[in-house]
Amino acid sequence: ELKVEQNPLFLSMQEGKNYTIYCNYSTTSDRLYWYRQDPGKSLESLFVLLSNGAVKQEGRLMASLDTKARLSTLHITAAVHDLSATYFCGGSQGNLIFGKGTKLSVKP
Amino acid sequence: SAVISQKPSRDICQRGTSLTIQCQVDSQVTMMFWYRQQPGQSLTLIATANQGSEATYESGFVIDKFPISRPNLTFSTLTVSNMSPEDSSIYLCSVFPTGGFYGYTFGSGTRLTVV
Repeated sequence: ELKVEQNPLFLSMQEGKNYTIYCNYSTTSDRLYWYRQDPGKSLESLFVLLSNGAVKQEGRLMASLDTKARLSTLHITAAVHDLSATYFCGGSQGNLIFGKGTKLSVKP
Repeated sequence: SAVISQKPSRDICQRGTSLTIQCQVDSQVTMMFWYRQQPGQSLTLIATANQGSEATYESGFVIDKFPISRPNLTFSTLTVSNMSPEDSSIYLCSVFPTGGFYGYTFGSGTRLTVV
C-alpha cells in the first residue's frame, strides 16, 4: 500500500528566502505529483514527475524526483507572498494518494 | 486537460438526511475518483467510480454510507447518506484524463456542513 509523507507540515518563510519541502513515498509510484491549494479552493496541478531524475521548474518553484530514494522535493526560490498556500504531493498506483500537505506562509 | 463541473458547490444539511453530489466531465474519462477533505486536513480517497460496475471503496468507507453511481464515462454521483456532523467536509471529484499528461484534475469541490 502506497503511503506518502510530507515535511514540514507548516512552514513560515520570509520573503526572499529559499526553502525545500520534502515528500517521501513508501513503495513504487507510477508518477509523483505536486498540487497547490488556496484556502477555500480546489487543487491546482503544479508538476507531474514521470521518471528518476526528473526536474521541472515553473517560476519560483522547482520540483525533482529521485525514485531510488523514493523522494521528491519542491524547492522555493526567493519566496513571495503570492506563494502562500498549502502544497500537496501525491503518488499513484492507479489512484492518487496524498501526503498531509505543507501549509506555507510567506511573510514580508 | 479535462474540465469538471461539480454540483452543488456547498450545502447545509440536517443530520439524518442524504445529499447527492454530481460530477460532470467535458470529455470521456476512464478513471474517476471521489475524495473527502476534512477541515484543515489532506485529501482522503473514498472510492474509485467504475463505469458499469460497483465502485471500489477504500478502507474505512462503505457503500451503504457513500453510494456511488457511474452511468457513463462523463458523469458520476456520490451520495452521503444518513449524515452526521462528522460528515462535514469538502468532497471532491477527480479524473485522470486519457494520456494524463497534466495529471489528475479536480472539480471545484462541494463544501458540506451537517447541522
